Amino acid sequence: AQTVTQSQPEMSVQEAETVTLSCTYDTSESDYYLFWYKQPPSRQMILVIRQEAYKQQNATENRFSVNFQKAAKSFSLKISDSQLGDAAMYFCAYKVTSGSRLTFGEGTQLTVNP
Amino acid sequence: DTAVSQTPKYLVTQMGNDKSIKCEQNLGHDTMYWYKQDSKKFLKIMFSYNNKELIINETVPNRFSPKSPDKAHLNLHINSLELGDSAVYFCASSLRMAPADTQYFGPGTRLTVL
Repeated sequence: AQTVTQSQPEMSVQEAETVTLSCTYDTSESDYYLFWYKQPPSRQMILVIRQEAYKQQNATENRFSVNFQKAAKSFSLKISDSQLGDAAMYFCAYKVTSGSRLTFGEGTQLTVNP
Repeated sequence: DTAVSQTPKYLVTQMGNDKSIKCEQNLGHDTMYWYKQDSKKFLKIMFSYNNKELIINETVPNRFSPKSPDKAHLNLHINSLELGDSAVYFCASSLRMAPADTQYFGPGTRLTVL
């Protein structure tokens, strides 16, 4: 069974600084997709960034980037120039190419301090 | 314009009652999902439908019955509600079932069973 592990239940960062959220996953599949979703206090789940496992280049979306290490099965999220609006629960998620279900990690609660 | 909407946003009810949560998407997507987020914020898929056909049915009690009257709607009916059903229920949709297709989430319905 595929599992996704986020080992940091809580993280905090100063405004304008950089923070990295960790995610590891366990799979026997060779091709899959990885995602980071953000859930602010409003509860809305918002896609932050995605990575296709067959791509070696790390995905970036403005201030958000990932460090994808396929051999280590690691998929960390880096947030640069943190803003107060980045405060949220962040979920790492995984999806195999043979299916459509998302498997989520336990989440990391990010606090941004002014 | 709301892409994926759910009603109601909050639902408080007594044990043993029957309730429904409605979900609608105006994205023209073929595939819809129900996820459950428990009190520890863990998200897990319950069901997925593609073109009104049930595709994924996780080990969910048969008190939970999804219904898809058309591609744009996926409702969740819960019979004989139990305390353990208290959670936030998220509806999501994607263009198709392909793993590359991003899932867009609704705002969630917080169900409280007393």
